[in-house]
Amino acid sequence: DIQMTQSPSTLSASVGDRVTITCRASQSISTLLAWYQQRPGKVPKLLIYKASTLESGVPSRFSGSGSGTEFSLTISSLQPDDFATYYCQQYFSSSPFTFGQGTKLEI
Amino acid sequence: EVQLVESGGGLVKPGESLRVSCAASGFSFNNAWMSWVRQAPGKGLEWVGRIKSKSSGGTEEYAAPVKGRFTISRDDSKDTLYLQMNSLKTEDTAVYYCSREKDCGGRSCSAYWGQGTLVTVSS
Repeated sequence: DIQMTQSPSTLSASVGDRVTITCRASQSISTLLAWYQQRPGKVPKLLIYKASTLESGVPSRFSGSGSGTEFSLTISSLQPDDFATYYCQQYFSSSPFTFGQGTKLEI
Repeated sequence: EVQLVESGGGLVKPGESLRVSCAASGFSFNNAWMSWVRQAPGKGLEWVGRIKSKSSGGTEEYAAPVKGRFTISRDDSKDTLYLQMNSLKTEDTAVYYCSREKDCGGRSCSAYWGQGTLVTVSS
């Protein structure tokens, strides 16, 4: 199985801050990585796929980068709605499609 | 608008079976690759499995913890996805989400999610 490790597990920040979450794969996954946002009590929402492609309707303050085994999600200027848990997921190999453990972004 | 509505969750005892459903609308279900993802209370997301469209072979794939106990199926005439869960264990307690995949740059990923249905396995 491909293991996905996110860091940090929890991130404290303020409105307007620039934050970066990292995700590391245990083996190369090319750019086949997605980022999801899950607000408390809500359904996961696809933000970014193929490491850096913004899903339609997602604000441009979100950006993704990386390839191979190292990836990052950056939010350029935090808004109140952005306080949520973020997950990376590799879809390079379906045995299984593993998620990272999540990063909780809190005030 | 893509809509996915799960149903059929509930409380069952260890060793029992349960089938949850996902009714789809707003897209061509028969051409869609569909997945199940679960989330235990207070925990992260865990991929359960997926089923490809019949035109892509209808192949099923499963995560190791559920392989041999869970079966994903689809009824394209009813635009409905199913997850049959047998020999349930307490560690299967979770909200089960169905999702529709989309092309995410050459491979598919989960792009649209239902609201989820809670399955509780407890004696």
